Amino acid sequence: GESVGLHLPTLSVQEGDNSIINCAYSNSASDYFIWYKQESGKGPQFIIDIRSNMDKRQGQRVTVLLNKTVKHLSLQIAATQPGDSAVYFCAETPLGDMRFGAGTRLTVKP
Amino acid sequence: DTEVTQTPKHLVMGMTNKKSLKCEQHMGHRAMYWYKQKAKKPPELMFVYSYEKLSINESVPSRFSPECPNSSLLNLHLHALQPEDSALYLCASSSLAGGSLASTDTQYFGPGTRLTVL
Repeated sequence: GESVGLHLPTLSVQEGDNSIINCAYSNSASDYFIWYKQESGKGPQFIIDIRSNMDKRQGQRVTVLLNKTVKHLSLQIAATQPGDSAVYFCAETPLGDMRFGAGTRLTVKP
Repeated sequence: DTEVTQTPKHLVMGMTNKKSLKCEQHMGHRAMYWYKQKAKKPPELMFVYSYEKLSINESVPSRFSPECPNSSLLNLHLHALQPEDSALYLCASSSLAGGSLASTDTQYFGPGTRLTVL
């Protein structure tokens, strides 16, 4: 079946560097994508979303890029901080049936 | 209030016990969801309620029984669970701004209930 997945299961970056987390999706009918951050012992926290009629969206220190041609989604975090350490999930939501990718663990080294 | 709350935070139960998980939101959202999350895995959708009616059941075993008594509350009744049902159970809600389950509804999650079945 169609699925959402991630290229990298773990990512380690130095504090202050930029982070890029990637996600591949295969459902070409998906028109809405979300990035969630999940810290240990907590529920997923909404970070940023993007609709399929856009290719870039910026938030505070975060940017999501969508490439529909190759079905690729990325999350860029600027000036990564220790508080950014968490597991990051991309998700697509066709008709309310949200599917998560496998997740990437981001570790920020001081 | 932009919060989804879940109780209890932790639950330990035996395989013959009956227990319930509770979820509450006061954002006026009309869709609510139950997810199951195993360690180091993404959340998996179990049930979706829209306007207090069950809309999606992802082939979940009958030992899990959801209930939506009103638009703010969502329960998950547990009975005769197995040790492999031990997981983090997450509740989420979304606005249904378009009037029906839509692909552009952002879901907001609670902190989860950590369930251990002995």
